[in-house]
Amino acid sequence: EDQVTQSPEALRLQEGESSSLNCSYTVSGLRGLFWYRQDPGKGPEFLFTLYSAGEEKEKERLKATLTKKESFLHITAPKPEDSATYLCAVECRHLSGGYNKLIFGAGTRLAVHP
Amino acid sequence: NAGVTQTPKFQVLKTGQSMTLQCAQDMNHNSMYWYRQDPGMGLRLIYYSASEGTTDKGEVPNGYNVSRLNKREFSLRLESAAPSQTSVYFCASSEAVGYSNQPQHFGDGTRLSIL
Repeated sequence: EDQVTQSPEALRLQEGESSSLNCSYTVSGLRGLFWYRQDPGKGPEFLFTLYSAGEEKEKERLKATLTKKESFLHITAPKPEDSATYLCAVECRHLSGGYNKLIFGAGTRLAVHP
Repeated sequence: NAGVTQTPKFQVLKTGQSMTLQCAQDMNHNSMYWYRQDPGMGLRLIYYSASEGTTDKGEVPNGYNVSRLNKREFSLRLESAAPSQTSVYFCASSEAVGYSNQPQHFGDGTRLSIL
């Protein structure tokens, strides 16, 4: 069964304390992996797309990496404004045909304290 | 610069009532999607429309119907609301026809409570 698991569920950091969020997946035929940021009361906001193992993308204090089984979102020297829920989603082949399908993880709630 | 607009933002219904959630996008996107988000779970796809004039069931379609009114608008209808449909509903759109490695753009959601 296709599955996407994010860990930890929640993470509390001090400002400046770097860390990583994990997204592990077991799917049939990876087509792409997406990272989104979601603020309270808002919809998910797109951050990155990764397509193949070894690929890396960066944006400000965030860096996303991809292997054959998981992706990491590294946060370097985080600030309080980085506090949000980070969602991972994997696009994979739909075994019954038709369009691909997209599976979301449950997210990691990140709190960065001054 | 609106992107994806959802109305209403909040709604409280009684069991058995019906209502329609509205969604419109101004990015000329081909595909539109309806998701629900429940605590501790990932976003789950209810219905999607890969292009104007087509709709398909997603992972959790029971109790819902959709209409792709035109390229801009995609509505979700609850015919007879049940407490299990209490959730936050998100509409999204993407440029591609169907899922095709394109990121989705989300609205800010409708928070629906069914008593």
